[in-house]
Formats: sequence, structure tokens, C-alpha cells
Amino acid sequence: DIQMTQSPSFLSASVGDRVTINCKASQNINKYLNWYQQKLGEAPKLLIYNTNNLQTGIPSRFSGSGSGTDYTLTISSLQPEDVATYFCLQHSSRWTFGGGTKLELK
Amino acid sequence: EVKLEESGGGLVQPGMSVKLSCATSGFTFSDYWMEWVRQAPGKGLEWVAEIRNKANNYATYYGKSVKGRFTISRDDSKSIVYLQVNSIRSEDTGIYYCTTGFDYWGQGVMVTVSS
Repeated sequence: DIQMTQSPSFLSASVGDRVTINCKASQNINKYLNWYQQKLGEAPKLLIYNTNNLQTGIPSRFSGSGSGTDYTLTISSLQPEDVATYFCLQHSSRWTFGGGTKLELK
Repeated sequence: EVKLEESGGGLVQPGMSVKLSCATSGFTFSDYWMEWVRQAPGKGLEWVAEIRNKANNYATYYGKSVKGRFTISRDDSKSIVYLQVNSIRSEDTGIYYCTTGFDYWGQGVMVTVSS
């Protein structure tokens, strides 16, 4: 089974900061990597699919990159409404989630 | 607008059964593969089960930790997906989400296993 290691688990940043969240797979997942945002009490929302494709309606400050085993979600300029937990999902071989990153404002 | 709404959770005694439902609208349900995902308190997300569409013979797949105890099913005429949970254990406690192939998600339903 593919394991996903997400880092950091917790992140505190200021409005306007550039924020990066990482996911590392235990083997090559061929860019089959999605990123989600989950706000408290809400359903998870798909942000990025297949590494770098922005879901419709998602602000362009969100972007994804990576290949092989290493993937990154970047928020170019943090906004207050971005406070949430973020997690990755590999769908190369079955499905495995990262452990999540809780993002808060400093 | 795509909507998914889970129901059927609550307090369940160990060893008993519970059936979760996920009512959907806003998309052609019969075309989609449907998933159940769960999250134990303080833990990450875990894929639980998948049911494919008619074109894929309604094939079902399960996570290792639930295989043999959980059954996923669907009613395309009602746009509902179900999760039957049997012989429930304390480690099954958590929020259960349904999702359309991991694109759209419901808000989840809480299942608490306790005597």
C-alpha cells in the first residue's frame, strides 16, 4: 500500500504570506495527487487535481506542483478565508490520504 | 448545485449494526462511482469503500480494515448510496463522508460506538 506523509502538521502564517504544504508518497504516484481544503464543520473541497490542475472556482492563489514521490500545495498570498485543514490524496493505487495540515493565522 | 447529505449515524453499541445513507442531487448519480471515507477522532482520513456504476457492473471494493463487515450499495433510482456496517467496533467510531469519486463531498455523519 502507498503511504502518504504530509508536512507540516500545523502551520501558522500571516496574511499575505506564501505558504507551502508538502506530501511525500512512499512510491512514485505519477502525479495522481489531489489537494483538498476542509474548513471547520464543512465538507472537504477539492482544490487541485492531478498535481497542478486548479478545480473550477478555486482562486488562482492556490497552485500545485510535484512529480514522482514529492508534491507541494502553494498558497501564494494567504487570505483570512484560507484558514482550514488541508490534505492530500493519492489516487495512483487505490486511495491514501495525507495526515492533514492545520493552517491558522499568526 | 451538487449536494450530498449523509444520515443514519449516532450512538451504536459494539457488535451491533448501522446503515448509513447518502442522499445526493445536482448531478447524474448513475454515472458516478461513489465512495465512503471516514475519519476517526484526531486521525486522518481513511478510504472505506467504493461502488462503481452500472457500466462497471456495480463493482465494489473495500479497505482492508473493513472488508467482510461493511457493505456498500446504491439505488440509482433514488440517487442514494448506502453503507451497511455490521459487527461494529470501537475503532469504527468517527465521521463518515460520502463522496463522488473524491470530487464532491458531503458534510459527514458521526458514528459513535460505545456501550
